[in-house]
Amino acid sequence: GQSLEQPSEVTAVEGAIVQINCTYQTSGFYGLSWYQQHDGGAPTFLSYNALDGLEETGRFSSFLSRSDSYGYLLLQELQMKDSASYFCALNPGYALNFGKGTSLLVTP
Amino acid sequence: EPEVTQTPSHQVTQMGQEVILRCVPISNHLYFYWYRQILGQKVEFLVSFYNNEISEKSEIFDDQFSVERPDGSNFTLKIRSTKLEDSAMYFCASAQGESNEQFFGPGTRLTVL
Repeated sequence: GQSLEQPSEVTAVEGAIVQINCTYQTSGFYGLSWYQQHDGGAPTFLSYNALDGLEETGRFSSFLSRSDSYGYLLLQELQMKDSASYFCALNPGYALNFGKGTSLLVTP
Repeated sequence: EPEVTQTPSHQVTQMGQEVILRCVPISNHLYFYWYRQILGQKVEFLVSFYNNEISEKSEIFDDQFSVERPDGSNFTLKIRSTKLEDSAMYFCASAQGESNEQFFGPGTRLTVL
């Protein structure tokens, strides 16, 4: 089976940088994705790492280390609208296997 | 910008009744998915559909569930005899490729009484 671990809650100040970590256990996968979900909303895609290293998309970056079974999402220049839940998800094939999510609260 | 749509946005049903949740995926996408999210919990995979057949399903997707692509645009999830524990938000998603970004619809909130 697969399992993912991420912190349940993170709080950060507007304008700051925050890192959300994700550790996983799996026998194989294509890549690690990150999704954002606002309350009552649909998950929306943020970033995907198929290979080790850093992927940068605007204010968001994601990192993967297959040897360490570890990834993270880095959010820079935090804005109030970034308050949401963030899920890492393993892509073992067809399905996405989501972690339990990290609730990010951005404060003024 | 193309988007996945789902209807209805909210469905209330009595335990034991059948429900059909409908989705219109993005038109040039080939892979279709159903997920569910019980309130306050993580998003859980139910089933994936490719080339007019189920490609993968989870343990949640038992004999009470079925999926269909009745025409070139719609993708449906049927629950034959709903249980209280089926109450959840059901998300449809579609993707161009197997490992590509999945685009999620706004969800259908199913409430079983």
